[in-house]
Amino acid sequence: GAGVSQSPRYKVAKRGQDVALRCDPISGHVSLFWYQQALGQGPEFLTYFQNEAQLDKSGLPSDRFFAERPEGSVSTLKIQRTQQEDSAVYLCASSLGGLAVHNEQFFGPGTRLTVL
Amino acid sequence: DAKTTQPTSMDCAEGRAANLPCNHSTISGNEYVYWYRQIHSQGPQYIIHGLKNNETNEMASLIITEDRKSSTLILPHATLRDTAVYYCIVSGYGNKLVFGAGTILRVKS
Repeated sequence: GAGVSQSPRYKVAKRGQDVALRCDPISGHVSLFWYQQALGQGPEFLTYFQNEAQLDKSGLPSDRFFAERPEGSVSTLKIQRTQQEDSAVYLCASSLGGLAVHNEQFFGPGTRLTVL
Repeated sequence: DAKTTQPTSMDCAEGRAANLPCNHSTISGNEYVYWYRQIHSQGPQYIIHGLKNNETNEMASLIITEDRKSSTLILPHATLRDTAVYYCIVSGYGNKLVFGAGTILRVKS
């Protein structure tokens, strides 16, 4: 595809359920980022992958959050035992270069997660 | 990463230039200034970035002061479609973007 895609676009979960959010980055992009955006706020960094290596997970809010990118392309963000405070839009972004390269990040449309 | 300060909101008349200011007084030598915007219900969109020289692309111009403590994003001919939240971000090694509250730009006809 031409851009970053995310699925599902909308997810409703009952409190305590596990969810998995998928990100398909632009083909060939080395870097992949996950961000969380609460209603009315700017996005907040969650984690970063360079190819399949997760180099920064400092933004993950708890050990219920887990991300992977096993083959260096598609990434999955998993949230276990969802809580109401997890309700947010989860954004994925990819960029061509690695850590030392300053280039633009291309964002997907996001997955809106609502936890009831 | 250095913190940025932006006005909460701005209005601009359609067809006029929109000048969005940003203060980043604690920026360090290896940090770049990035601008992104977010139109309602969409993911952020990259606009432009620079280190110390002024930059221009098809979307906008970025003017960075000589001491690098502030910058201005210029949309030369604003249209209604430019109504969005504009984020000024300072980013160093690792390219992690730290978004603030941004500036809500309203373009009015």
